[in-house]
Amino acid sequence: DGGITQSPKYLFRKEGQNVTLSCEQNLNHDAMYWYRQDPGQGLRLIYYSQIVNDFQKGDIAEGYSVSREKKESFPLTVTSAQKNPTAFYLCASSAQVTSTDTQYFGPGTRLTVL
Amino acid sequence: AQSVSQHNHHVILSEAASLELGCNYSYGGTVNLFWYVQYPGQHLQLLLKYFSGDPLVKGIKGFEAEFIKSKFSFNLRKPSVQWSDTAEYFCAVNAGGAGSYQLTFGKGTKLSVIP
Repeated sequence: DGGITQSPKYLFRKEGQNVTLSCEQNLNHDAMYWYRQDPGQGLRLIYYSQIVNDFQKGDIAEGYSVSREKKESFPLTVTSAQKNPTAFYLCASSAQVTSTDTQYFGPGTRLTVL
Repeated sequence: AQSVSQHNHHVILSEAASLELGCNYSYGGTVNLFWYVQYPGQHLQLLLKYFSGDPLVKGIKGFEAEFIKSKFSFNLRKPSVQWSDTAEYFCAVNAGGAGSYQLTFGKGTKLSVIP
């Protein structure tokens, strides 16, 4: 069954802790993305990666870090430096690095900071 | 930098009513335009997209959108909505051309369809 998986579905963390969100795809896509979704804000791009071992900051990268050691995996770490981390996080991928390519989304992880 | 505006935050319609959701973008060059939909509890999924050619684009589930370049608009339409169309709809744009694959999303429009 092809697609994008994100785990966990719900995540709780205490203030001051780093937490890593998982994103895996078996679509053989080159590009992967992380978005943050807040109510009334739409989706905002955190980081994206065009190819293994390469990634670029999006519009709201402060307080986040990523790695792309394998084509199928693009984990996101929410660090303690992120001032307002409570949000819904969406991972996406696209086949090729072109402007016309469709991005496919995972089910998301809802992070709550206690 | 490009931006996307969706004018309606929440739209409430009765079944069989016609739907039009507004989307305007700010970018002077070539653009690629997308509408995504997020049904309750489901993944965000592509509804339709426009790259070039016929400005009237047809998507899944009877939706269509019209690209009007002079108005920088890409409004989503459906002649007769169903209860199952209740969802949040997002318009997105990227600047056409090599390296321009970052999507900029609008803030979304929630559609509630009353049976």
